[in-house]
Amino acid sequence: DTGVSQNPRHKITKRGQNVTFRCDPISEHNRLYWYRQTLGQGPEFLTYFQNEAQLEKSRLLSDRFSAERPKGSFSTLEIQRTEQGDSAMYLCASSPGRAGRYNEQFFGPGTRLTVL
Amino acid sequence: GQQVMQIPQYQHVQEGEDFTTYCNSSTTLSNIQWYKQRPGGHPVFLIQLVKSGEVKKQKRLTFQFGEAKKNSSLHITATQTTDVGTYFCAGEGVIQGAQKLVFGQGTRLTINP
Repeated sequence: DTGVSQNPRHKITKRGQNVTFRCDPISEHNRLYWYRQTLGQGPEFLTYFQNEAQLEKSRLLSDRFSAERPKGSFSTLEIQRTEQGDSAMYLCASSPGRAGRYNEQFFGPGTRLTVL
Repeated sequence: GQQVMQIPQYQHVQEGEDFTTYCNSSTTLSNIQWYKQRPGGHPVFLIQLVKSGEVKKQKRLTFQFGEAKKNSSLHITATQTTDVGTYFCAGEGVIQGAQKLVFGQGTRLTINP
């Protein structure tokens, strides 16, 4: 257990529905990342936050995806009008994000999304 | 954009044999990180390399960062069944002012006991 939690752990939804995932990072970590991982691939970067500011969003991310980190603590990732191609493991990670420190990322257990 | 390639994609060894995975980036990296993901688990940080030509060891694991800071390798000596998993390298570079970690595809290691 890295201290990063994600909910729900599994989500099955029908195509066209909206889904929202939550990530609670390690409390003192400034940076929070979202990744998507499909079978046999490495984590694919989606977006990241420094405190409450969303600093980067992958160009691969369609406008159906949105993420927030309103108070610089937990974050939510919403997917609107889900498609079957959205089926994947969605991983959240956090890191200290301080100068002079290792930027190792601590991953949560992930939310596995299945779109029927 | 920045790409990180990792080879081989799969490696099967007999227990006790050595194992090496290689990582190459299309751009110069500020640092490279290695993660291990057990089957059904999530990536777990192993190490970060920052300096050109850096070599670090963790027991039977040896990590190297190339002189040009564009490639890296992980070598495991005398593999054990507990080494089973997928090993990912992840390169960190500054792109448009933002630090970003790009993962390789991973090398999946399986071991015959």
